[in-house]
Amino acid sequence: DAGITQSPRYKITETGRQVTLMCHQTWSHSYMFWYRQDLGHGLRLIYYSAAADITDKGEVPDGYVVSRSKTENFPLTLESATRSQTSVYFCASSESGGRHGYTFGSGTRLTVV
Amino acid sequence: AQSVAQPEDQVNVAEGNPLTVKCTYSVSGNPYLFWYVQYPNRGLQFLLKYITGDNLVKGSYGFEAEFNKSQTSFHLKKPSALVSDSALYFCAVRDYGNDYKLSFGAGTTVTVRA
Repeated sequence: DAGITQSPRYKITETGRQVTLMCHQTWSHSYMFWYRQDLGHGLRLIYYSAAADITDKGEVPDGYVVSRSKTENFPLTLESATRSQTSVYFCASSESGGRHGYTFGSGTRLTVV
Repeated sequence: AQSVAQPEDQVNVAEGNPLTVKCTYSVSGNPYLFWYVQYPNRGLQFLLKYITGDNLVKGSYGFEAEFNKSQTSFHLKKPSALVSDSALYFCAVRDYGNDYKLSFGAGTTVTVRA
């Protein structure tokens, strides 16, 4: 199906474990983004990518790693999960030009125990 | 730098009454402005945008927003609210010259009572 899909939908992990959140889009959009949503903070940008093999830090990148070997995939890895990384994570994509804003995935709810 | 402020955490209105959700922004250049809505356990859905042109923009589900450059505001409005409009609303801004990064407000929870 066309669109932007995130997996898993829900994830519980233990402190110190590595966990990867997946994001896949079918539009060949140039730009992809990872945000986290926390009460009182709205959405905060973690990392973004302008194209395959081009990534850059956002507002809150510490503790996260991204890669983009293919245009359609943009995985987010928490190298050593901490409880402060408990959050809802959203992936988004945007076509070149950015005049239409973003299209968002359904989100991944991550709980670190 | 770019930023968005949504001064109200919550807005409560009765069904059939007008609904307004406030948003002010700050950018160094010309803004691209967006409104998104989020229903429980769902991703954000696009409502409307202002890029250029008419200051009053119309979007999905009967919503509209007015761009006011002098007041740096982009308030979301609906003439007659429905119970189904109850959701979390986000305003977002991007500086025209920015690298496509959107900055979001903290969100406003709208509750429409029957």
